[in-house]
Amino acid sequence: AAGVIQSPRHLIKEKRETATLKCYPIPRHDTVYWYQQGPGQDPQFLISFYEKMQSDKGSIPDRFSAQQFSDYHSELNMSSLELGDSALYFCASSLGTSRERSYNEQFFGPGTRLTVL
Amino acid sequence: GEDVEQSLFLSVREGDSSVINCTYTDSSSTYLYWYKQEPGAGLQLLTYIFSNMDMKQDQRLTVLLNKKDKHLSLRIADTQTGDSAIYFCAESHISNFGNEKLTFGTGTRLTIIP
Repeated sequence: AAGVIQSPRHLIKEKRETATLKCYPIPRHDTVYWYQQGPGQDPQFLISFYEKMQSDKGSIPDRFSAQQFSDYHSELNMSSLELGDSALYFCASSLGTSRERSYNEQFFGPGTRLTVL
Repeated sequence: GEDVEQSLFLSVREGDSSVINCTYTDSSSTYLYWYKQEPGAGLQLLTYIFSNMDMKQDQRLTVLLNKKDKHLSLRIADTQTGDSAIYFCAESHISNFGNEKLTFGTGTRLTIIP
């Protein structure tokens, strides 16, 4: 079965550079979530999109932006990278919202490991 | 996360039962989840429980929920070496759009002793 695809899987950048992470949800899934997991930390919610519109926002820095495109894939753009941005970035997708169904499981991708030097 | 707490480490002998505990804060969470993360891998949903349930059993996994104390536990029966991983509990928050935002616990690293 198709899963959530994230690219690249690994990315090395220097301070003050820009990075773009991509997420391809499971086919027919219309909701995308981004999470950041620092070394030895729990995943922290960054932002989510439903039907190409931002639906919720968490602890996402102003230097980061994201969008969901017409084919439902999403990109997380990170500018002025800092050492503290080094983390594993997960994307998850789900079908519909909790209003439309009683339960909508989030399926997680393998993550993109970003290292900022 | 700061609102969801777990013990950081648990060591269990192979074949014994593992019990991983979690304390959460949001009493309005509709669902509570257990995720498994193996080294270098993504998050795998193990099981979930609806907030109006006390217990859910799924093969070797048993989830207990005490809503009054906001306490969630995961019991793994007959623990195997393949169960070695970090286990995260997560509570859910529903946004105005109906999306379910997850707040994860600090994670419990389960080590199996041969």
